[in-house]
Amino acid sequence: GAGVSQSPRYKVAKRGQDVALRCDPISGHVSLFWYQQALGQGPEFLTYFQNEAQLDKSGLPSDRFFAERPEGSVSTLKIQRTQQEDSAVYLCASSLGRSNEQFFGPGTRLTVL
Amino acid sequence: QKEVEQDPGPLSVPEGAIVSLNCTYSNSAFQYFMWYRQYSRKGPELLMYTYSSGNKEDGRFTAQVDKSSKYISLFIRDSQPSDSATYLCAMRGTGGSNYKLTFGKGTLLTVNP
Repeated sequence: GAGVSQSPRYKVAKRGQDVALRCDPISGHVSLFWYQQALGQGPEFLTYFQNEAQLDKSGLPSDRFFAERPEGSVSTLKIQRTQQEDSAVYLCASSLGRSNEQFFGPGTRLTVL
Repeated sequence: QKEVEQDPGPLSVPEGAIVSLNCTYSNSAFQYFMWYRQYSRKGPELLMYTYSSGNKEDGRFTAQVDKSSKYISLFIRDSQPSDSATYLCAMRGTGGSNYKLTFGKGTLLTVNP
């Protein structure tokens, strides 16, 4: 596709539910990133993939957060037992290489009730 | 104290005004400085990219970096209503974590026709 796509665009979950957020990067982009953007804040780094390898997961807030990119293309961010503080926009970005320009998707807005 | 500080505004100006947006930072390892524009319900898009200190101009936009003061600026000349968006500064270092972007909170700008 022309850009990074994310689905769903909006997700409402009850507290305690598990959610899965999908990211389709730009074709050929080796590097993939997830960021969390709370209301009124800038994006904060969560995790980084190079191809299928997760090289940095230092930004994941807790062990309830898990990300994967099994074939080095599509990535899924999973949040188990969602809490209200998980409510945020989750942004995915991809780039040709680790230090190249990052292109962002539109984000998934997660609301936990 | 956050690594990157940015006045969240909001900032409201008349069409045609010169806009000045600023960020300060504390991490002297930052070497690459970026400005992103984020429209409502969209992902951030890269506007300007500067390495180390100096100025860079692109059309109506000028980015300035003063590493000695740990201060970066974005100037928008002849502002247009279509410039209304949130402007995020972002920075990264070199070396092992050179992929990780650290963002400011963002400044919400409204340009009134």
